[in-house]
Amino acid sequence: EIVLTQSPGTLSLSPGERATLSCRASEIISINYFAWFQQKPGQAPRLLIYGSAGRATGVPDRFSGSGSETDFTLTISRLETEDFAVYYCHQYGSSPATFGQGTRVEIK
Amino acid sequence: QVQLQESGPGLVKPSETLSLTCTVSGGSISSFYWSWIRQSPRKGLEWIGYISYGGNTDYNPSLKSRVLISVDSSKNQYYLNLSSVTAADTAVYYCARGGVGVPPPYWGQGALVTVSS
Repeated sequence: EIVLTQSPGTLSLSPGERATLSCRASEIISINYFAWFQQKPGQAPRLLIYGSAGRATGVPDRFSGSGSETDFTLTISRLETEDFAVYYCHQYGSSPATFGQGTRVEIK
Repeated sequence: QVQLQESGPGLVKPSETLSLTCTVSGGSISSFYWSWIRQSPRKGLEWIGYISYGGNTDYNPSLKSRVLISVDSSKNQYYLNLSSVTAADTAVYYCARGGVGVPPPYWGQGALVTVSS
């Protein structure tokens, strides 16, 4: 199975700052089958990015995804208070589908 | 708007079978792919498997020998059965629309299942 490793484990930033989250895959992934999720306590994960760079419905344009092959990035251009959460990367092109272990974005 | 809702026992005894139902509203289950995903502190988010609109299934090899996903289109529901459970199967179980090749935009709220005697 494809292992996804996220870094850093925790990102401590202030509102208004830029956040850069990374995800590295153990094998090459098609950009068509890579996603990012946001999860807040007590809630299900929310799809943010699919196809490595497509924003899901209702996702603000401060969220952007990029990358290819084995290295992918989620960027939040200017952190809002509601963006402090845990973020997961996800590949859904190869069975079994897999998730990263998560990056926590916390208020500094 | 598509909505999914998990239901089932919150407590299962070791060696027994965990059974959950996902009820889909706001759209027909006779399209798309429908998955089960679980989340635990130990293993994080783990994809269990999916069933397609055509009834085809795909399971995580780590669980394949114990998992069965089925669907009842007349009720707009699909189901998860996980046999021979242990404490390691304690998790929040989510149903979600999507599967391998299709990202999951819609998720249920999650159902906590604890395996304990």
